[in-house]
Amino acid sequence: QQQVKQSPQSLIVQKGGISIINCAYENTAFDYFPWYQQFPGKGPALLIAIRPDVSEKKEGRFTISFNKSAKQFSLHIMDSQPGDSATYFCAARRAGNNRKLIWGLGTSLGVNP
Amino acid sequence: DAGVTQSPTHLIKTRGQHVTLRCSPISGHKSVSWYQQVLGQGPQFIFQYYEKEERGRGNFPDRFSARQFPNYSSELNVNALLLGDSALYLCASSLAGSGTEAFFGQGTRLTVV
Repeated sequence: QQQVKQSPQSLIVQKGGISIINCAYENTAFDYFPWYQQFPGKGPALLIAIRPDVSEKKEGRFTISFNKSAKQFSLHIMDSQPGDSATYFCAARRAGNNRKLIWGLGTSLGVNP
Repeated sequence: DAGVTQSPTHLIKTRGQHVTLRCSPISGHKSVSWYQQVLGQGPQFIFQYYEKEERGRGNFPDRFSARQFPNYSSELNVNALLLGDSALYLCASSLAGSGTEAFFGQGTRLTVV
């Protein structure tokens, strides 16, 4: 059972366009929602994260929008660049003692020059 | 400033063998988590250790075990390797056991033949 559902599986945008990746979660016990960027052969790198008491967080070209009532959150990449081409994962972390991250299946983003 | 370091970077083992993977967290970080990432999927949580104690365990068989040492480095051991254990094994470190960001190493690519 996939507790964090991510879409789309793959995405291609033109340079300068907006990339949008969506995630939905089922468990209301999550208290932290990070996005990770992963390049081939590398470990995931934390991109941006949000807590459920905030509806939006922006860092440079990256914005997370969070809808607590709908249990959905999304990543927007503004002015997408070829260097942004990577796999993006959303994740959710349980509250409590076991702080494991539950991951989405990933979105492969390609940005055409 | 060194990030999370994992060794070895690549490893080839035969079915039935055992393997030990190593991780050194970021200096000052006391929590280490292990994840398995099968090609094309998101990471799956295996273990979390904090202050040398196991804080969480994922849905993996008893062939998987781990420990954390007094210097906060960690080992992941897998016995009786199966072909399905082939994956990228990721180590993440965080400052404390809860409420802090996780930073990932580049991973160990394990191939079981």
